[in-house]
Amino acid sequence: AQSVSQHNHHVILSEAASLELGCNYSYGGTVNLFWYVQYPGQHLQLLLKYFSGDPLVKGIKGFEAEFIKSKFSFNLRKPSVQWSDTAEYFCAVNAIENTDKLIFGTGTRLQVFP
Amino acid sequence: EAQVTQNPRYLITVTGKKLTVTCSQNMNHEYMSWYRQDPGLGLRQIYYSMNVEVTDKGDVPEGYKVSRKEKRNFPLILESPSPNQTSLYFCASSTGQMSSYNEQFFGPGTRLTVL
Repeated sequence: AQSVSQHNHHVILSEAASLELGCNYSYGGTVNLFWYVQYPGQHLQLLLKYFSGDPLVKGIKGFEAEFIKSKFSFNLRKPSVQWSDTAEYFCAVNAIENTDKLIFGTGTRLQVFP
Repeated sequence: EAQVTQNPRYLITVTGKKLTVTCSQNMNHEYMSWYRQDPGLGLRQIYYSMNVEVTDKGDVPEGYKVSRKEKRNFPLILESPSPNQTSLYFCASSTGQMSSYNEQFFGPGTRLTVL
């Protein structure tokens, strides 16, 4: 069965610090990969996605993620976080043959202090 | 404006009292899905629907029912709610075309408390 692991459950950073959130998935076939963000009290929004091509994907608000197929990883990065990045971040995987079904990780809560 | 709406946004109820959470989308999407979000568990899929009158179980379907009589609506029904169904529920929709992934759009969430 497919699964997604996010090993960082809670991350606390100061503004301007660099961010890297880990995401690993277990599935041997072709996948689409996503990062969603959920700001306090709001619904999920798509941050970035990988379907094919360049494994380094750039998303909104200065976020990027790198797909490393050999490591089954899709880590999220941002060189300099802001207080407004405080949110919960979810990695998600879609196996190609499962059409639109998403498997989510457990989420990482990010707190950024000024 | 393209959106997914859910009602109610907040609901407190008692064990055993049937309830329905509505979900509606205005994007003519074929695929709709319900998730529940619990601390430390992320989002888990409850049920999904590929099209009108086509529904299937997700990963945690026990205690829930759904129906898809119209393309735009996908209500979630709890016939006899129990406290372990206290959670934050999200509806999502996408175009659902086969052999390609289509971005899912999420509703604002419904926070349900079952006493």
